[in-house]
Amino acid sequence: EPEVTQTPSHQVTQMGQEVILRCVPISNHLYFYWYRQILGQKVEFLVSFYNNEISEKSEIFDDQFSVERPDGSNFTLKIRSTKLEDSAMYFCASSTGAVYSYEQYFGPGTRLTVT
Amino acid sequence: EDQVTQSPEALRLQEGESSSLNCSYTVSGLRGLFWYRQDPGKGPEFLFTLYSAGEEKEKERLKATLTKKESFLHITAPKPEDSATYLCAVRAFMEYGNKLVFGAGTILRVKS
Repeated sequence: EPEVTQTPSHQVTQMGQEVILRCVPISNHLYFYWYRQILGQKVEFLVSFYNNEISEKSEIFDDQFSVERPDGSNFTLKIRSTKLEDSAMYFCASSTGAVYSYEQYFGPGTRLTVT
Repeated sequence: EDQVTQSPEALRLQEGESSSLNCSYTVSGLRGLFWYRQDPGKGPEFLFTLYSAGEEKEKERLKATLTKKESFLHITAPKPEDSATYLCAVRAFMEYGNKLVFGAGTILRVKS
């Protein structure tokens, strides 16, 4: 069964460093997303991406964040200068984009620890 | 602002003891209510989508129902392997994007 994959599973970085989180969405899906979950808190939407551009972003997704689809399979989230409060699980998700098929399929997540 | 509230926060059941989880929502133009299961340290696993009041979906021991203001996830004769956090999320009407707004989840523990 097709699934969303993410690498790395765990990333430790120092405050102020840049990190890139990588995702391979399900191959025939057209919409891509990043969410994050701070330990013990709700899953929060960061950004959605369709047709090679951002379709929506949350207040969390400020100028320190960027997304890219560098080729036909990968989808990345970059944090330019990490802060302690960026420590969280980051989930990539994808959906088909078909009408009345809006369910999003999530990857296993990348645990980001900023020290 | 779209809001999702889940109750109870935690639920302990004996194996075979049926119960229900609640998800109440406030959203401007519901375009889908989703149930996910999340195991510790893992990503949410899709269970059900409901689109309109009165709709029901079933999968093994789980059944999801939807009204105009809330959804229920009924668990019939649960087993220990059903232990997980169950998340509810809503998708509101919007021209672009498919943002999901999640509730805080219900932590379910089933003891044998």
